[in-house]
Amino acid sequence: AQSVTQLGSHVSVSEGALVLLRCNYSSSVPPYLFWYVQYPNQGLQLLLKYTTGATLVKGINGFEAEFKKSETSFHLTKPSAHMSDAAEYFCAVSEGTSGTYKYIFGTGTRLKVLA
Amino acid sequence: DTAVSQTPKYLVTQMGNDKSIKCEQNLGHDTMYWYKQDSKKFLKIMFSYNNKELIINETVPNRFSPKSPDKAHLNLHINSLELGDSAVYFCASSPSGIPYEQYFGPGTRLTVT
Repeated sequence: AQSVTQLGSHVSVSEGALVLLRCNYSSSVPPYLFWYVQYPNQGLQLLLKYTTGATLVKGINGFEAEFKKSETSFHLTKPSAHMSDAAEYFCAVSEGTSGTYKYIFGTGTRLKVLA
Repeated sequence: DTAVSQTPKYLVTQMGNDKSIKCEQNLGHDTMYWYKQDSKKFLKIMFSYNNKELIINETVPNRFSPKSPDKAHLNLHINSLELGDSAVYFCASSPSGIPYEQYFGPGTRLTVT
């Protein structure tokens, strides 16, 4: 079974600083990987996804992630943090076969942005 | 237009009661899901339906019974509620086929007292 590990349940950065949220996965097959963001009292919103092709994936709100097969990682970055980026971030991997996909989520990383 | 909607948003009830949560999506997706998010924010899949057919049923107590009257709706009925059922329940949908991203509803916060 696939799994996702997010290192650091809480990350604090200063406004304008680099954001780096770590995600490692385990998978016996090429994975489909996702990053979601959850703002307080809201549902999850897709930030970006990797399926095939280019390993550097750009998403919304200036976020990007790089798929590194050799490191089984899919870390999320943003060059300059904004106060509005404060939220919970979830990395996810999908597993299954056509028509029956299950999404495995990491335990989440709460990002705090300091003024 | 709301893509995935859930009702109610908040649900407070007593132990032993039976309650239902409704979910509707207007995205034309074939697959719908129920997730449970606990107090530590851990998100775990409970059920998945594809074209009204149950395709994923995780280890969930049989007090939880999903029902999909049509492709656009997936409801969750919970019998004999317990304190441990308190959580946020999210509905999600996605197209079938390759693992597209999922679209989540706003969640239903269930509190059992």
